This record gives sequence, C-alpha cells and structure tokens, in this order.
Amino acid sequence: EVQLVESGGGLVQPGGSLRLSCAASGFTFSSYEMNWVRQAPGKGLEWVSYISSSGNTIYYADSVKGQFTISRDNAKNSLYLQMNHLRAEDTAIYYCAGSRTVSHFDYWGQGTLVTVSS
Amino acid sequence: EIVMTQSPATLSVSPGERATLSCRASQSVSSNLAWYQQKPGQAPRLLIYGASTWATGIPARFSGSGSGTEFTLTISSLQSEDFAVYYCQQYNNWPRTFGQGTKVEIK
Repeated sequence: EVQLVESGGGLVQPGGSLRLSCAASGFTFSSYEMNWVRQAPGKGLEWVSYISSSGNTIYYADSVKGQFTISRDNAKNSLYLQMNHLRAEDTAIYYCAGSRTVSHFDYWGQGTLVTVSS
Repeated sequence: EIVMTQSPATLSVSPGERATLSCRASQSVSSNLAWYQQKPGQAPRLLIYGASTWATGIPARFSGSGSGTEFTLTISSLQSEDFAVYYCQQYNNWPRTFGQGTKVEIK
C-alpha cells in the first residue's frame, strides 16, 4: 500500500524556520516525482514546489522562491521542505504528493499543519 | 501563470441527481488537466487525469471531458459519499495551478 506520511509541522513564530519531512513507503520512491502542496485554513490548494525523481530538477512557486528549499533522500525514501523566514501567510496544511510522471499527483499524504504566529 | 477558474463555487444537488462541474483555463493546457476530490479533514484524492482518464479505483459515475481551455467533470448519479469539494489542476505549465474549487453539497 502506498503511504506518504508528513511530519515536522507545528507552531512557529514569524521569521522562524521549520523543516518538513515526508516518509514514503509501498512504492519505489526513487522513481517518483515529488511535490509539496499547501492549503491555508478554509482555502483552496496551492502548489509549492517540485523535485524530480533524481533530484536534478526543482521548481518553486513564486510565493516561496528564495524562502523554501525542497530536497529528497532516495536512500531514506524521504522528501523534505526547509522553510525559512516564515510569515503568517505561510500558515497552512502542507501535503506531499507523488507522481509517476511529471504530471498529475497520484498519491497524497495526510498533511502536516504549519502555524506561523506570535 | 495559467489561471484556472471553476464554476459554480457551490452546487446543491439531491442524491441520485447529476452534477456538472466546469473548469476553465486562461490559456490552453491541452489535455493536461486533473480533477481531485477533497472531503473535510482529508487529503485530496485523484479522480481524473488527462482530462478524461479515470484514476485507479474511481467509479464510472465520474467522468471528465474537454481539452484546451474548457473542461467538465460530471457525476452521473450522486451518492452520499460524493458530497465534497472538487478541484481541477493543470499540469501543462509551471507553476502547476489549481482552480478555487467547487463544493458539491446536499440539496
């Protein structure tokens, strides 16, 4: 069974940092393209970042470029999102989502909540 | 950035009735369009990709159509478990963008 399990969310003060993790199991993680997608409370879905299966290609939404860093460790079947200089508008549930190809998102984790507040 | 616009924002439908949801792209996305279903407190679930291809395990009462800039998700006979929010997403260009969602509620 495919599983994606996010962790690392929590309450952080404005300007602070967090590192999210996504642990994958039940599929060949190293063959999957991976993404982070977020959802602010009561709002819609916003794509945040993409990393190719090899890690060689990375994209970011303009809203997080220069602030967030996506990475992966295929040996550990894990995806990461380093989030720096956090702002109130970064408050959201963060989902990791996997794709077999560079296209739609086949699988989603259950999300981890990040709250940026003083 | 490609803007995805969904309509209506809310659709009130009785169980057993047909629901038709629309999604429009600000420029052509070919058939690179997916639909997702999200229930309260849950992650989104892939329903349709390639504008009209069912994801694994999706019932045939869900169908997608369209190409270019105009897309439709049809639920032929609404079941109780289908009341949820539905999002379209284009994956033709970066950044990937989603519509704002259509909430299908019980009439």
